[in-house]
Amino acid sequence: RKEVEQDPGPFNVPEGATVAFNCTYSNSASQSFFWYRQDCRKEPKLLMSVYSSGNEDGRFTAQLNRASQYISLLIRDSKLSDSATYLCAVNRDPAAQKLVFGQGTRLTINP
Amino acid sequence: GAVVSQHPSWVICKSGTSVKIECRSLDFQATTMFWYRQFPKQSLMLMATSNEGSKATYEQGVEKDKFLINHASLTLSTLTVTSAHPEDSSFYICSATDRGGGPQHFGDGTRLSIL
Repeated sequence: RKEVEQDPGPFNVPEGATVAFNCTYSNSASQSFFWYRQDCRKEPKLLMSVYSSGNEDGRFTAQLNRASQYISLLIRDSKLSDSATYLCAVNRDPAAQKLVFGQGTRLTINP
Repeated sequence: GAVVSQHPSWVICKSGTSVKIECRSLDFQATTMFWYRQFPKQSLMLMATSNEGSKATYEQGVEKDKFLINHASLTLSTLTVTSAHPEDSSFYICSATDRGGGPQHFGDGTRLSIL
């Protein structure tokens, strides 16, 4: 079993729709969690960190469920520019600072 | 936000050539940098952790003699792919973090094509 797992998609949704992604992690000692966005043939860019109490940034909401060991990302009122691959990342050992990435979920927003 | 610069962006060279990729943190000091490789439609795979002033820590299955890492200063790490072959063709990305447990900031990536 992979340490971090995501549904690879692809997700094809109409503009304006709400989209939700989940990401599960296997190591219960994991400490920090992030969502990254990666456009085609580009480097990943940090979208948002995920905090225990959940956090929101505009149209994006991230949540953490430690009991079930998953993190989620919700995108409301999706825009064409949201089309990208979304990667979750988990840091299981802050001292080592290593991130483990999921394989990414590809999202396409259709006009 | 933190900026990480990677150079070159694109390399095309013949089989057997050694290729050096630079990763610089522009506005912060990074005691630790990371090197990843990403094949098409796959996720980022950590190759090694680059530590300033000491030897890099390689992930299982990554040949340290093939992928030489030097972290000469708090703002520069280099990855040298020695005697590159077509199977080494990939997207190589570096990252750095400016604090423990914080998010990593990625360089632009280097697309390596070995003919």
